[in-house]
Amino acid sequence: GAGVSQSPSNKVTEKGKDVELRCDPISGHTALYWYRQSLGQGLEFLIYFQGNSAPDKSGLPSDRFSAERTGGSVSTLTIQRTQQEDSAVYLCASSLGGQGTSPLHFGNGTRLTVT
Amino acid sequence: GENVEQHPSTLSVQEGDSAVIKCTYSDSASNYFPWYKQELGKRPQLIIDIRSNVGEKKDQRIAVTLNKTAKHFSLHITETQPEDSAVYFCAALKGSQGNLIFGKGTKLSVKP
Repeated sequence: GAGVSQSPSNKVTEKGKDVELRCDPISGHTALYWYRQSLGQGLEFLIYFQGNSAPDKSGLPSDRFSAERTGGSVSTLTIQRTQQEDSAVYLCASSLGGQGTSPLHFGNGTRLTVT
Repeated sequence: GENVEQHPSTLSVQEGDSAVIKCTYSDSASNYFPWYKQELGKRPQLIIDIRSNVGEKKDQRIAVTLNKTAKHFSLHITETQPEDSAVYFCAALKGSQGNLIFGKGTKLSVKP
Protein backbone atom coordinates (compact mmCIF):
# COMPACT_ATOMS: atom_id res chain seq x y z
CA GLY A 1 0.00 0.00 0.00
CA ALA A 2 0.96 3.64 -0.14
CA GLY A 3 3.29 5.10 2.42
CA VAL A 4 2.93 8.30 4.39
CA SER A 5 2.23 11.17 2.04
CA GLN A 6 3.01 14.80 2.81
CA SER A 7 2.10 17.90 0.85
CA PRO A 8 3.37 20.19 -0.34
CA SER A 9 6.88 18.81 -0.72
CA ASN A 10 8.28 22.33 -0.80
CA LYS A 11 6.79 25.60 0.41
CA VAL A 12 8.29 29.06 0.17
CA THR A 13 6.41 31.75 2.02
CA GLU A 14 6.92 35.32 3.10
CA LYS A 15 7.48 36.18 6.72
CA GLY A 16 4.17 36.85 8.44
CA LYS A 17 2.08 34.58 6.21
CA ASP A 18 0.22 31.50 7.46
CA VAL A 19 1.00 28.03 6.08
CA GLU A 20 -0.73 24.67 6.23
CA LEU A 21 1.13 21.40 5.93
CA ARG A 22 -0.73 18.18 5.24
CA CYS A 23 -0.02 14.58 6.19
CA ASP A 24 -1.81 11.48 4.91
CA PRO A 25 -0.83 8.53 7.12
CA ILE A 26 -0.79 4.89 6.16
CA SER A 27 -4.31 3.50 6.23
CA GLY A 28 -5.07 1.87 9.56
CA HIS A 29 -2.32 3.62 11.47
CA THR A 30 -3.82 5.11 14.60
CA ALA A 31 -0.79 7.08 15.78
CA LEU A 32 0.52 10.13 13.94
CA TYR A 33 3.54 12.27 14.75
CA TRP A 34 4.92 15.60 13.62
CA TYR A 35 8.64 16.32 13.87
CA ARG A 36 10.77 19.22 12.69
CA GLN A 37 14.25 18.81 11.28
CA SER A 38 16.44 21.84 10.77
CA LEU A 39 19.55 21.67 8.60
CA GLY A 40 21.99 19.27 10.22
CA GLN A 41 19.84 18.99 13.30
CA GLY A 42 17.95 16.18 14.95
CA LEU A 43 14.29 15.29 14.93
CA GLU A 44 12.51 17.80 17.14
CA PHE A 45 9.21 16.43 18.46
CA LEU A 46 6.23 18.73 17.85
CA ILE A 47 3.01 16.84 18.52
CA TYR A 48 1.60 13.33 18.65
CA PHE A 49 -1.92 12.10 17.87
CA GLN A 50 -3.60 8.91 18.95
CA GLY A 51 -6.72 8.78 16.84
CA ASN A 52 -8.00 12.35 16.74
CA SER A 53 -6.69 13.23 20.19
CA ALA A 54 -3.35 14.83 20.93
CA PRO A 55 -2.12 13.43 24.25
CA ASP A 56 1.12 15.38 23.97
CA LYS A 57 1.40 18.88 22.51
CA SER A 58 4.43 19.76 24.55
CA GLY A 59 6.73 20.09 21.57
CA LEU A 60 4.87 22.88 19.79
CA PRO A 61 7.37 25.80 19.83
CA SER A 62 4.80 28.56 20.31
CA ASP A 63 1.11 29.37 20.10
CA ARG A 64 1.63 30.15 16.40
CA PHE A 65 1.77 26.39 15.85
CA SER A 66 -1.32 24.21 15.89
CA ALA A 67 -2.31 20.84 14.50
CA GLU A 68 -5.42 18.83 14.07
CA ARG A 69 -6.39 15.40 12.89
CA THR A 70 -9.81 14.49 11.61
CA GLY A 71 -11.43 11.11 11.05
CA GLY A 72 -8.42 9.41 12.55
CA SER A 73 -6.61 9.98 9.29
CA VAL A 74 -5.37 13.20 7.67
CA SER A 75 -3.56 15.72 9.81
CA THR A 76 -2.72 19.35 9.16
CA LEU A 77 -0.03 21.38 10.86
CA THR A 78 -0.69 25.12 10.73
CA ILE A 79 1.91 27.78 11.36
CA GLN A 80 0.55 31.30 11.72
CA ARG A 81 2.53 34.48 11.14
CA THR A 82 5.57 32.54 9.98
CA GLN A 83 9.03 33.60 11.07
CA GLN A 84 12.40 32.88 9.47
CA GLU A 85 13.30 30.53 12.31
CA ASP A 86 10.38 28.33 11.25
CA SER A 87 12.33 27.33 8.14
CA ALA A 88 12.94 23.58 8.36
CA VAL A 89 11.81 20.22 7.04
CA TYR A 90 8.57 19.15 8.70
CA LEU A 91 8.30 15.38 8.91
CA CYS A 92 5.16 13.40 9.57
CA ALA A 93 5.18 9.77 10.66
CA SER A 94 2.51 7.23 11.43
CA SER A 95 2.49 3.92 13.25
CA LEU A 96 0.11 1.11 14.00
CA GLY A 97 0.00 1.12 17.76
CA GLY A 98 -0.87 3.58 20.45
CA GLN A 99 1.89 2.58 22.85
CA GLY A 100 4.70 3.92 20.71
CA THR A 101 6.44 0.59 20.21
CA SER A 102 5.41 0.09 16.60
CA PRO A 103 7.83 1.31 13.94
CA LEU A 104 7.34 4.85 12.73
CA HIS A 105 6.86 5.23 9.00
CA PHE A 106 8.00 8.65 7.89
CA GLY A 107 6.85 10.73 4.97
CA ASN A 108 9.28 12.58 2.72
CA GLY A 109 8.63 15.80 4.55
CA THR A 110 7.69 19.35 3.64
CA ARG A 111 10.61 21.72 3.23
CA LEU A 112 9.43 25.12 4.47
CA THR A 113 11.40 28.23 3.62
CA VAL A 114 10.35 31.54 5.15
CA THR A 115 11.81 34.55 3.34
CA GLY B 1 9.83 15.29 30.42
CA GLU B 2 12.08 12.92 28.51
CA ASN B 3 15.44 14.18 27.29
CA VAL B 4 17.69 12.12 25.03
CA GLU B 5 21.38 12.94 24.61
CA GLN B 6 23.37 11.36 21.78
CA HIS B 7 27.13 11.17 21.21
CA PRO B 8 29.16 11.67 19.16
CA SER B 9 27.57 14.09 16.71
CA THR B 10 29.95 12.95 13.97
CA LEU B 11 31.91 9.74 13.60
CA SER B 12 34.35 8.74 10.89
CA VAL B 13 35.67 5.18 10.58
CA GLN B 14 37.57 3.08 8.07
CA GLU B 15 35.67 0.42 6.21
CA GLY B 16 35.77 -2.78 8.22
CA ASP B 17 36.14 -1.06 11.58
CA SER B 18 33.44 -0.96 14.25
CA ALA B 19 31.33 2.07 15.12
CA VAL B 20 29.66 2.79 18.45
CA ILE B 21 27.04 5.46 19.12
CA LYS B 22 25.85 6.17 22.65
CA CYS B 23 22.66 7.68 24.03
CA THR B 24 21.41 8.57 27.47
CA TYR B 25 17.84 9.24 28.55
CA SER B 26 16.32 10.96 31.54
CA ASP B 27 12.91 9.36 32.11
CA SER B 28 13.34 6.17 34.14
CA ALA B 29 9.87 5.08 33.02
CA SER B 30 11.00 4.84 29.38
CA ASN B 31 10.79 1.26 28.20
CA TYR B 32 11.39 1.25 24.45
CA PHE B 33 14.47 2.40 22.56
CA PRO B 34 14.58 2.31 18.75
CA TRP B 35 17.33 3.38 16.37
CA TYR B 36 16.61 5.03 13.03
CA LYS B 37 18.90 5.47 10.04
CA GLN B 38 18.53 8.42 7.66
CA GLU B 39 20.49 8.28 4.44
CA LEU B 40 21.20 11.52 2.63
CA GLY B 41 18.02 12.97 1.18
CA LYS B 42 15.86 10.12 2.43
CA ARG B 43 13.41 9.58 5.24
CA PRO B 44 14.43 7.98 8.57
CA GLN B 45 13.90 4.23 8.79
CA LEU B 46 13.89 1.89 11.77
CA ILE B 47 16.92 -0.39 11.86
CA ILE B 48 16.73 -2.00 15.30
CA ASP B 49 14.98 -1.53 18.62
CA ILE B 50 15.21 -2.83 22.15
CA ARG B 51 12.74 -3.07 24.98
CA SER B 52 13.55 -2.61 28.63
CA ASN B 53 13.21 -6.28 29.53
CA VAL B 54 16.37 -7.25 27.60
CA GLY B 55 19.94 -6.05 27.79
CA GLU B 56 21.12 -6.74 24.25
CA LYS B 57 19.73 -7.42 20.81
CA LYS B 58 21.57 -8.34 17.61
CA ASP B 59 20.66 -8.28 13.96
CA GLN B 60 23.52 -9.33 11.68
CA ARG B 61 26.13 -6.56 11.87
CA ILE B 62 24.22 -4.29 14.20
CA ALA B 63 23.52 -4.66 17.90
CA VAL B 64 22.03 -2.53 20.61
CA THR B 65 22.78 -2.71 24.33
CA LEU B 66 20.75 -1.23 27.15
CA ASN B 67 21.76 -0.37 30.71
CA LYS B 68 18.59 0.61 32.53
CA THR B 69 20.37 1.36 35.78
CA ALA B 70 22.62 3.90 34.11
CA LYS B 71 19.89 4.97 31.68
CA HIS B 72 21.99 4.60 28.58
CA PHE B 73 21.88 2.52 25.43
CA SER B 74 24.28 2.07 22.54
CA LEU B 75 24.32 1.07 18.89
CA HIS B 76 27.18 -1.09 17.68
CA ILE B 77 27.95 -1.61 14.00
CA THR B 78 30.63 -4.14 13.15
CA GLU B 79 32.50 -4.60 9.86
CA THR B 80 31.30 -1.22 8.65
CA GLN B 81 30.69 -0.71 4.94
CA PRO B 82 30.39 2.50 2.89
CA GLU B 83 26.62 1.99 2.67
CA ASP B 84 26.44 2.33 6.45
CA SER B 85 27.23 6.03 5.97
CA ALA B 86 24.17 7.94 7.18
CA VAL B 87 22.78 9.86 10.13
CA TYR B 88 21.71 7.60 12.98
CA PHE B 89 19.11 8.67 15.54
CA CYS B 90 18.39 7.05 18.86
CA ALA B 91 15.04 7.54 20.55
CA ALA B 92 13.26 6.79 23.80
CA LEU B 93 9.61 6.27 24.45
CA LYS B 94 8.41 9.05 26.73
CA GLY B 95 7.07 7.43 29.87
CA SER B 96 3.81 5.62 29.38
CA GLN B 97 2.74 7.77 26.46
CA GLY B 98 3.10 6.90 22.81
CA ASN B 99 5.49 9.55 21.57
CA LEU B 100 9.15 9.05 20.78
CA ILE B 101 11.78 11.60 21.73
CA PHE B 102 14.82 11.53 19.44
CA GLY B 103 18.45 12.37 20.02
CA LYS B 104 20.15 14.94 17.79
CA GLY B 105 21.71 12.31 15.57
CA THR B 106 25.16 11.02 14.70
CA LYS B 107 26.57 11.47 11.21
CA LEU B 108 28.55 8.32 10.45
CA SER B 109 31.02 8.35 7.59
CA VAL B 110 32.62 5.08 6.51
CA LYS B 111 35.71 5.61 4.37
CA PRO B 112 36.61 2.95 1.79
